[in-house]
Amino acid sequence: DGGITQSPKYLFRKEGQNVTLSCEQNLNHDAMYWYRQDPGQGLRLIYYSQIVNDFQKGDIAEGYSVSREKKESFPLTVTSAQKNPTAFYLCASSPSQNPVYFGNGTRLTVT
Amino acid sequence: GNSVTQMEGPVTLSEEAFLTINCTYTATGYPSLFWYVQYPGEGLQLLLKATKADDKGSNKGFEATYRKETTSFHLEKGSVQVSDSAVYFCALADYTGGFKTIFGAGTRLFVKA
Repeated sequence: DGGITQSPKYLFRKEGQNVTLSCEQNLNHDAMYWYRQDPGQGLRLIYYSQIVNDFQKGDIAEGYSVSREKKESFPLTVTSAQKNPTAFYLCASSPSQNPVYFGNGTRLTVT
Repeated sequence: GNSVTQMEGPVTLSEEAFLTINCTYTATGYPSLFWYVQYPGEGLQLLLKATKADDKGSNKGFEATYRKETTSFHLEKGSVQVSDSAVYFCALADYTGGFKTIFGAGTRLFVKA
């Protein structure tokens, strides 16, 4: 079955550590995205990539980094520079035009 | 810039009640419009879409009509079930500066048996 796989579902880290969230898709979609969702709030775009080896900052890119070495993969690193990293992170992908399809998310808790 | 505004929740209904969740948008050009649903602990699922004015999107008993004159895309369902309890997001496809989708803040729906 085609889809978007995010792993792990839950992730716990100590403050000051970098952490990488995995996102893989087998939908052959060109574009991939990372969103952040805080409790009771909507989605905010962190980074997006329209093509391999290229990506752009979204609305809240500070403290995050990404890479797009393969079409199928778009990992997100939450660095120690991110002041409030605890959140629900959603990866998504889309063909050359919308709509966007989502993975099931990774809940990151930093203490 | 482009934006999406949804009615604030939570919305609480009894089973078999009629549902309306209001959504209005601001956009230049002719965006596509979407409704997504999010169940607890999961990602968002595309519920329905409309790509041009007067289009009606429908799925699983939910409907929404793209109204350009009122810049609205209200979600409706004639008879809700307990299993419809979720958070609903209205969204528009913004092609300005890239393939970005703009989401509303979400509306939580509770359906009581």
